[in-house]
Amino acid sequence: GESVGLHLPTLSVQEGDNSIINCAYSNSASDYFIWYKQESGKGPQFIIDIRSNMDKRQGQRVTVLLNKTVKHLSLQIAATQPGDSAVYFCAENPGNQFYFGTGTSLTVIP
Amino acid sequence: SQTIHQWPATLVQPVGSPLSLECTVEGTSNPNLYWYRQAAGRGLQLLFYSVGIGQISSEVPQNLSASRPQDRQFILSSKKLLLSDSGFYLCAWSRDSTQPQHFGDGTRLSIL
Repeated sequence: GESVGLHLPTLSVQEGDNSIINCAYSNSASDYFIWYKQESGKGPQFIIDIRSNMDKRQGQRVTVLLNKTVKHLSLQIAATQPGDSAVYFCAENPGNQFYFGTGTSLTVIP
Repeated sequence: SQTIHQWPATLVQPVGSPLSLECTVEGTSNPNLYWYRQAAGRGLQLLFYSVGIGQISSEVPQNLSASRPQDRQFILSSKKLLLSDSGFYLCAWSRDSTQPQHFGDGTRLSIL
């Protein structure tokens, strides 16, 4: 199966700081990636996606960076807020199925 | 807009009892539908997916089964639950296998 992992299982940041969550993927054939946010007791929520023909994509307060050379994906959250506290995980798709990482738990300290 | 509903949100069942979890999608037609199990500290494990009515693909051998009796309805079942079936079950939909998957809020299943 696929191997999608995160460098850090937990991350704590001060409110207002920027957060960076990382993800390593193993399949060089993967050409589509998604970041999800999952709050306690809820289902994963789509945040942002990126295809392999891009190396950066920006949304509202979030940016995803893709480095295909080292098979690395990151999610940057600007001006982190308490409502950003959740588990974040990445997903990769080599063409026919998504493979999901285990997630990083982000805690925002007021 | 599209919405996905799962119920119940929580369920406590005795070992050996049957199971039926339901998932419905609104606002789209002919979606791909998925059932996942999420264990603590582990990634989502795909259990079943369906590309159309009556079409079910199973990813892992298990004590569970799935059915799709209608276009926007996906059901996860078991005839006899095992302790190992405890977990958090998520339903998801997508337009096709290369498009984002959108998840319901899950069912927390506890087997006693």
